[in-house]
Amino acid sequence: NAGVTQTPKFQVLKTGQSMTLQCAQDMNHEYMSWYRQDPGMGLRLIHYSVGAGITDQGEVPNGYNVSRSTTEDFPLRLLSAAPSQTSVYFCASRYEYEQYFGPGTRLTVT
Amino acid sequence: GIQVEQSPPDLILQEGANSTLRCNFSDSVNNLQWFHQNPWGQLINLFYIPSGTKQNGRLSATTVATERYSLLYISSSQTTDSGVYFCAVDPGGTSYGKLTFGQGTILTVHP
Repeated sequence: NAGVTQTPKFQVLKTGQSMTLQCAQDMNHEYMSWYRQDPGMGLRLIHYSVGAGITDQGEVPNGYNVSRSTTEDFPLRLLSAAPSQTSVYFCASRYEYEQYFGPGTRLTVT
Repeated sequence: GIQVEQSPPDLILQEGANSTLRCNFSDSVNNLQWFHQNPWGQLINLFYIPSGTKQNGRLSATTVATERYSLLYISSSQTTDSGVYFCAVDPGGTSYGKLTFGQGTILTVHP
């Protein structure tokens, strides 16, 4: 199993640009989520999904959209990037009570 | 929402030393996990431990759910133990599956 994969690993955007962070898992987990990690802080939940077609907001959803058309994929879209969205983004899937994280995407917005 | 506090914020050890990291949480939880974030940023599951004690090699964890805290013990530390240790809790109920993370303990192990 590849586990949870994320692309790209690094990205630089200009303010106002849009982009999609990709996340995929091959473990057939129903639950997937996106977190962001800022310096000196723990991870904060952006959006999550309990299965294909079902998504909901986490703690910090503003400026981000998600969709879940398949069990495997859970992309995160930045609609109009802002410097405050400079962060490291982690995708995760969950089996029963254990969460498994991808390697992260480091995003810089200038 | 639930609050999660970890202590100490920073810990510096010599190789071979033992350490205890603490995680306090403000309300009852459905789930508690410990993670290690290595220097390359990868988050690695250490323990899923909503209550009781578990051991895995040099690491062990204890959660006392009734008193709302968890402890992570690292014995005979090695330089590869360096990184950030996070605890994260799942409150359950209407927040089921939504992990709330503590701010982490930064561990540095010197040779």
